[in-house]
Amino acid sequence: AQSVTQLGSHVSVSEGALVLLRCNYSSSVPPYLFWYVQYPNQGLQLLLKYTSAATLVKGINGFEAEFKKSETSFHLTKPSAHMSDAAEYFCAVSATDKLIFGTGTRLQVFP
Amino acid sequence: GAVVSQHPSWVICKSGTSVKIECRSLDFQATTMFWYRQFPKQSLMLMATSNEGSKATYEQGVEKDKFLINHASLTLSTLTVTSAHPEDSSFYICSAGTSGGVWETQYFGPGTRLLVL
Repeated sequence: AQSVTQLGSHVSVSEGALVLLRCNYSSSVPPYLFWYVQYPNQGLQLLLKYTSAATLVKGINGFEAEFKKSETSFHLTKPSAHMSDAAEYFCAVSATDKLIFGTGTRLQVFP
Repeated sequence: GAVVSQHPSWVICKSGTSVKIECRSLDFQATTMFWYRQFPKQSLMLMATSNEGSKATYEQGVEKDKFLINHASLTLSTLTVTSAHPEDSSFYICSAGTSGGVWETQYFGPGTRLLVL
């Protein structure tokens, strides 16, 4: 069975600071991993995905994530936070034909 | 591109009534559509997967007679909550994909918030 754990339901950073959102996964087979973002009153939007190619995955809006098998992690980072990054972020894993989502992390960005 | 819409965005109904939620892929053909439910401060939980022209596949614990799913065309899937009760109040989200492959991107709708009184 697959699962994901997102550590920290809320993360607050100052504008310009590093963003780090944590995600650890559990999977009995090589996983596909995703990060989605949900802005208020909008649907989920794909930020990036790992599909067993390069372990460092670059996504939209300056986000990237690194797949670390030894740590079973897929943390999301952005070097410099922007006010517009404030949203809910979901990590998801898929090893069969469906996505399993984490509980989400709400990112707040302060000026 | 790859826009998915849901209608209605908000619905309030009385206990015992049925509610239909539509999910449309506006600019692409969706071979597979997924229905999720999200309770406050919880994760998205997959309810069912539907493929155009065939019966939906429901996740364990989801009552197929209560949550009727129809995927009549490559651009439309509907979820009908039959005889809704207050415990069915939730945020329902659909997503659509083009091939059903585990690696492909799912495009999500904006969600429908259901409140059953």
